Amino acid sequence: NAGVTQTPKFRVLKTGQSMTLLCAQDMNHEYMYWYRQDPGMGLRLIHYSVGEGTTAKGEVPDGYNVSRLKKQNFLLGLESAAPSQTSVYFCASSFDRRPEAFFGQGTRLTVV
Amino acid sequence: EDQVTQSPEALRLQEGESSSLNCSYTVSGLRGLFWYRQDPGKGPEFLFTLYSAGEEKEKERLKATLTKKESFLHITAPKPEDSATYLCAVPIPESGGYQKVTFGIGTKLQVIP
Repeated sequence: NAGVTQTPKFRVLKTGQSMTLLCAQDMNHEYMYWYRQDPGMGLRLIHYSVGEGTTAKGEVPDGYNVSRLKKQNFLLGLESAAPSQTSVYFCASSFDRRPEAFFGQGTRLTVV
Repeated sequence: EDQVTQSPEALRLQEGESSSLNCSYTVSGLRGLFWYRQDPGKGPEFLFTLYSAGEEKEKERLKATLTKKESFLHITAPKPEDSATYLCAVPIPESGGYQKVTFGIGTKLQVIP
């Protein structure tokens, strides 16, 4: 039972490049989330999904897009990376609205 | 504005030296408070949920308590393996029934052997 798996674990991008972060969960959870974590700031929600085919904006959605084509996968896209998007990104999932979530190991992204 | 504030930002303890971490919040209509543990380079790991003032939860050397304005995470006789950043989080209702979770910045605990 892997839980929540994020791919890749590390990435360096040049400004303007695009990339997709993949999150996969094997717990049959309905809810999935993408957070970013920056020094001196709490985890901030980027986008979330309450089920297959649904997505919604969180606290800091600008510059990101998401898709949930399959229940077990939640993709986070950066169309044109900016240095301000340098951060550690965490995916999480939960069974229902209760925010007792399971988190992935994180993706450390650096935009130069 | 709904806020979650944790103190201290960092805490250094000798092994066996008990202490408490604080999480204060300004949220109307609290619908729970959550504690997570985060080890370096890893995602947060869920520890506890507290729903009402006076409630307590325990796990090994950790005990979480909740009042109407704050929560404490008490660490009794800590060991070096308790070293981690401890996060608290509060759900805030949004339209459509979703509860946005607001996280504090955490308390980084270091337990010295």
